[in-house]
Amino acid sequence: QSALTQPRSVSGSPGQSVTISCTGTSSDVGHYDYVSWYQQRPGRVPKLIIFDVTKRPSGVPDRFSGSKSANTASLTISGLQAEDEADYYCCSYAGSNIPVFGGGTKLTVL
Amino acid sequence: QGQVVQSGAEVKKPGSSVKVSCKTSGDIFRNNYFSWVRQAPGQGLEWVGRITPIVGTTTYAQKFQGRLTISADESTNTVYLDLSSLRSEDTAVYYCASDSNYGVFVYWGQGTLVTVSS
Repeated sequence: QSALTQPRSVSGSPGQSVTISCTGTSSDVGHYDYVSWYQQRPGRVPKLIIFDVTKRPSGVPDRFSGSKSANTASLTISGLQAEDEADYYCCSYAGSNIPVFGGGTKLTVL
Repeated sequence: QGQVVQSGAEVKKPGSSVKVSCKTSGDIFRNNYFSWVRQAPGQGLEWVGRITPIVGTTTYAQKFQGRLTISADESTNTVYLDLSSLRSEDTAVYYCASDSNYGVFVYWGQGTLVTVSS
């Protein structure tokens, strides 16, 4: 299974919105509504922020939202805050009990 | 926090094996799969494999087939990763994570740094 494709970096100013894309294939992102997103702040453990494409775990602000169209999933962060600066990883189910991660996107808050 | 606790850092020689443990509560152990995810220095996340602890069923990423064993001990609520024939490219932080299926990793361990160096 090949890694999902994410932009290496994105940036935005406080208060703005940014969207991170995650492109897979018809065998993973395009086939299953099982895309999750993880936030990893520097030196920290990854944290689940979106699962099943659009769902947020308890405690995750509604500034974080997920969507999917065909083979591409997206994470949108609205009302950017300094604390959102982190690496973001998408993950899709690829069948046969196997998930596949994206390469990660570094978000810089200007 | 503290729901999943892993063993400490390891330094290993090329060609040797490493065993990393991951202990959790009974409820989490019984109600989840467990996956191992690794992160090489400065790199992204990579799924390694998973186990259904109660029945012992495993699934491994293809690149680790033949040198990876994931096991579980129900008596201690502990999951293990055993990786053999280590090479320098295996140097990474290995995370244990509860897996509610389909790539949803909720509870993460603190990570275990495995360094492979001669």
